[in-house]
Amino acid sequence: DAGVTQSPTHLIKTRGQQVTLRCSPKSGHDTVSWYQQALGQGPQFIFQYYEEEERQRGNFPDRFSGHQFPNYSSELNVNALLLGDSALYLCASSLSVQETQYFGPGTRLLVL
Amino acid sequence: AQKVTQAQTEISVVEKEDVTLDCVYETRDTTYYLFWYKQPPSGELVFLIRRNSFDEQNEISGRYSWNFQKSTSSFNFTITASQVVDSAVYFCALSHIGGAEYGNKLVFGAGTILRVKS
Repeated sequence: DAGVTQSPTHLIKTRGQQVTLRCSPKSGHDTVSWYQQALGQGPQFIFQYYEEEERQRGNFPDRFSGHQFPNYSSELNVNALLLGDSALYLCASSLSVQETQYFGPGTRLLVL
Repeated sequence: AQKVTQAQTEISVVEKEDVTLDCVYETRDTTYYLFWYKQPPSGELVFLIRRNSFDEQNEISGRYSWNFQKSTSSFNFTITASQVVDSAVYFCALSHIGGAEYGNKLVFGAGTILRVKS
């Protein structure tokens, strides 16, 4: 049974560019959440998707947007990249909104 | 607002020592979940335990045990007879319990780095 998968594993971008990160949830999971983890800090919640709708959003600017597809996979888009967007981006999935979140390996984004 | 505090930034122990990681939380919710996750150097967060605020029973799983005390808003994690493989960053987290339409974000502490030396 495959766990949560994310792609790409690493990414290097320059300021002002746009990036798309992808996440496939565990089999049977219908809820996907995204977190940003800066170096040496705990993960910070970006948003959560359920039934293809954004259900909850953290304190992130509109440059951060997402999408959930009918097969429950999800994308995180970040526009107009800033140096401060450099971080590990973690995707988590759960059986439903209230169930335990299981995390993928993350995508390490470096903005130069 | 919800908040999780892990006051211990880093702990170093020698193999076979017992170690306790502290977690203190703040929430106005009467019902909530508490979690512990482990993050090894690979970066992936590994789920360890979830406790419901209704259930204050302590739990033991092998060398791991958890002490939940609602009176002091604490959810501490003890590793007995630590091993080198326990070296990782450990995160305590909190989420409210509500309807699906509201979501259930995890609020994480800053983490505690555990170094177990042989």
